[in-house]
Amino acid sequence: GESVGLHLPTLSVQEGDNSIINCAYSNSASDYFIWYKQESGKGPQFIIDIRSNMDKRQGQRVTVLLNKTVKHLSLQIAATQPGDSAVYFCAETYDKVIFGPGTSLSVIP
Amino acid sequence: DTGVSQNPRHKITKRGQNVTFRCDPISEHNRLYWYRQTLGQGPEFLTYFQNEAQLEKSRLLSDRFSAERPKGSFSTLEIQRTEQGDSAMYLCASSHPALEVRAAFFGQGTRLTVV
Repeated sequence: GESVGLHLPTLSVQEGDNSIINCAYSNSASDYFIWYKQESGKGPQFIIDIRSNMDKRQGQRVTVLLNKTVKHLSLQIAATQPGDSAVYFCAETYDKVIFGPGTSLSVIP
Repeated sequence: DTGVSQNPRHKITKRGQNVTFRCDPISEHNRLYWYRQTLGQGPEFLTYFQNEAQLEKSRLLSDRFSAERPKGSFSTLEIQRTEQGDSAMYLCASSHPALEVRAAFFGQGTRLTVV
């Protein structure tokens, strides 16, 4: 079936470096994409979204890039901090939200 | 707190018992979703409602599972004759497709342990 997948299951970065988390999606009808952050024992937390008519969106320390040609999303976190350590999910939406398996980000102090 | 609220946060039950979880969505959201998440996996879609209408059910939702949203506000998810394989985090989320931010916002989940 249609799914969203992630290229890297784990990522370790040095504090202060930039992080890039990648994601592939397969449903060409999806028109809205979301990145979530999930800390242990908590529900997914909304980070940033992007509509299919955009290719880049910036938030505070985060940037999402969308490449519809190759059905690829990425999340860039600038100046990664220990508090950024979590599992990150990309998700696509047409009617319901479909998640990928997640990338675990570890920040090394 | 105006976020999504789920109760209880934790539930331990014996195999074969029935359990019911409650979700209170963000008040202006008309869509409500249920997901299940096991350790190391992403949330898996179970079902969703628009107002009181249940629009889609995953094939993961066996006949032991039933969800309701009778007045288009809160929702309940019931699992009958629980099995050990039902042990998971059950997540509820809500959204509104007409809002600027269409994203589903999640509650903190109900962790079910079947012993």
